Amino acid sequence: EIVLTQSPGTLSLSPGERATLSCRASQGVSSTYLAWYQQKPGQAPRLLIYGASSRATGIPDRFSGSGSGTDFTLTISRLEPEDFAVYYCQQYGSSLWTFGQGTKVEIK
Amino acid sequence: DVQLVESGGGLVKPGGSLRLSCAASGFTFSSSSMNWVRQAPGKGLEWVSSISSTSSYIFYADSVKGRFTISRDNAKNSLYLQMNSLRAEDTAVYYCARYPGYFSGGSYYYYFDYWGQGTLVTVSS
Repeated sequence: EIVLTQSPGTLSLSPGERATLSCRASQGVSSTYLAWYQQKPGQAPRLLIYGASSRATGIPDRFSGSGSGTDFTLTISRLEPEDFAVYYCQQYGSSLWTFGQGTKVEIK
Repeated sequence: DVQLVESGGGLVKPGGSLRLSCAASGFTFSSSSMNWVRQAPGKGLEWVSSISSTSSYIFYADSVKGRFTISRDNAKNSLYLQMNSLRAEDTAVYYCARYPGYFSGGSYYYYFDYWGQGTLVTVSS
């Protein structure tokens, strides 16, 4: 089973700053198998990025994904107030799905 | 609009059973693979189970294998999760989520594009 490790656990930033979130896999992951989600308190997760770098429908272009192999990154170029949330990466492999433990982006 | 609406959650004693439902609308349910994902209070997301469009392929997380059963009724546009031998550690919000099976450029893309609002299952004596 592939384990996804996200870092940092918590990111304290101010609106307008750049956020860089990391997702590291214990084994290589195909880029088409890697997705990112945003979750706000009391809400279901929302798809942000699929295929490691493709934005989902309606996702602002301040969100971008990159990476390959075992290292993937979600970047929020300029944080808006509504971006403060928890972010999860997800991968698929061997008929199983796994999520990272999440990175919380909080207001500094 | 796509909608996934879970129901059936509640309080159950350890060792008890519960059946969750997910009613789908706004898309061709019979063509979509579906999943259950759970989230314990204050914790992260954990995939629970998946079922292919025709129920031919079913998979479970090790943590629920042998206790939970996923099923679907395409005529009713509904997904189910039968949960038996429930434990305190099964306490969580349970979400249903769609895997769209997007294929492009010779590759399948794996992600969940639509999620329900979740239903809370509490296992406690």
